[in-house]
Amino acid sequence: SAVISQKPSRDICQRGTSLTIQCQVDSQVTMMFWYRQQPGQSLTLIATANQGSEATYESGFVIDKFPISRPNLTFSTLTVSNMSPEDSSIYLCSVDGDFTDTQYFGPGTRLTVL
Amino acid sequence: SQQGEEDPQALSIQEGENATMNCSYKTSINNLQWYRQNSGRGLVHLILIRSNEREKHSGRLRVTLDTSKKSSSLLITASRAADTASYFCATAPGGGNKLTFGTGTQLKVEL
Repeated sequence: SAVISQKPSRDICQRGTSLTIQCQVDSQVTMMFWYRQQPGQSLTLIATANQGSEATYESGFVIDKFPISRPNLTFSTLTVSNMSPEDSSIYLCSVDGDFTDTQYFGPGTRLTVL
Repeated sequence: SQQGEEDPQALSIQEGENATMNCSYKTSINNLQWYRQNSGRGLVHLILIRSNEREKHSGRLRVTLDTSKKSSSLLITASRAADTASYFCATAPGGGNKLTFGTGTQLKVEL
């Protein structure tokens, strides 16, 4: 199984600012995923990030608001841009399991926008 | 939109009792997975059941899948306080690797 870390674990930000969340995996993986979990809600996929190509965004999410980088096979960042209180959520990254359909999740970044 | 609806939304039981939560989904699937989330932290994979399986066990967990009804259930036997968490079912509609999660069940196990 993969071990995933995220930074920061939590942050409180002012509206209009941006926050970049880092996701580090202890092994090389092809695909990384970014999810958003709004308060009291389930997880919603934001985008899929492959190394060396543009991220693929799900309906309702756009690159200008959630730019993603994937510079190598063990690392990805998600930026939440021009934040508003509605962006207050937990943001989680995940990776595919080896030879399985399961996914391994990072501990999440709890973002509060004031 | 959510692929899965789960019920109940919340469940409170005493330690030692069994907990059952249900998940319904909308489209055809290759497999269905259950995950646990403790206190808004990362998700932990519990069990995966494939579309050609009807029942699967893992420790105190028992999962069933009824593809004709597009539903699954997760049973936790002899629950413990440490089982207190949110439980989510997840599917990958179309057989890809993009997971769509259910609405979740909040389980509270009291001493």
